[in-house]
Amino acid sequence: SQQGEEDPQALSIQEGENATMNCSYKTSINNLQWYRQNSGRGLVHLILIRSNEREKHSGRLRVTLDTSKKSSSLLITASRAADTASYFCATGVGNFNKFYFGSGTKLNVKP
Amino acid sequence: KAGVTQTPRYLIKTRGQQVTLSCSPISGHRSVSWYQQTPGQGLQFLFEYFSETQRNKGNFPGRFSGRQFSNSRSEMNVSTLELGDSALYLCASSSTPLEGNYEQYFGPGTRLTVT
Repeated sequence: SQQGEEDPQALSIQEGENATMNCSYKTSINNLQWYRQNSGRGLVHLILIRSNEREKHSGRLRVTLDTSKKSSSLLITASRAADTASYFCATGVGNFNKFYFGSGTKLNVKP
Repeated sequence: KAGVTQTPRYLIKTRGQQVTLSCSPISGHRSVSWYQQTPGQGLQFLFEYFSETQRNKGNFPGRFSGRQFSNSRSEMNVSTLELGDSALYLCASSSTPLEGNYEQYFGPGTRLTVT
């Protein structure tokens, strides 16, 4: 099975609210990355957090990583309709950093 | 800087045929990875190439193969197509091998439909 699993599978919120997505994984990782995908198009890289980091910020995004619980969370603050997309976490594993993607969270931000 | 480009964007093939997909990485990027995305299996890693060498491979049958050229452009080939090969095939490039903590940049994908 895949390394990462996102939770929830789907999330619907109003514009202006915060959105939180979680990612759990199974083995030790080198890094964890979050991506956004709009309607079956290519993925857009959002943020990378290394295994020795606990929190990173980028604009309205905040990512946390808890390696003891093998979990990460992505917080999008003050969401906008344009944030509507699927969000994936990907874990870099092993010597050659093979990447495993989770199943994704579908976020719908209603205007 | 131009992004990752993939050609063709859409492709329809018949079972049993073979197909070749192409990926041009961002200028200066030497690592190219391929992924398959399907509704049932999600995003799955196919393989990674760096400096014309396959460094990393996912759990796909031998019908899936790839190569990288000296200019870092990459192709992947699927032989004896099956209906289950219908998917979005994504290519990603990175400035260094995936063993580094560096981001991957994805192309728009090639939508393959097998009938």
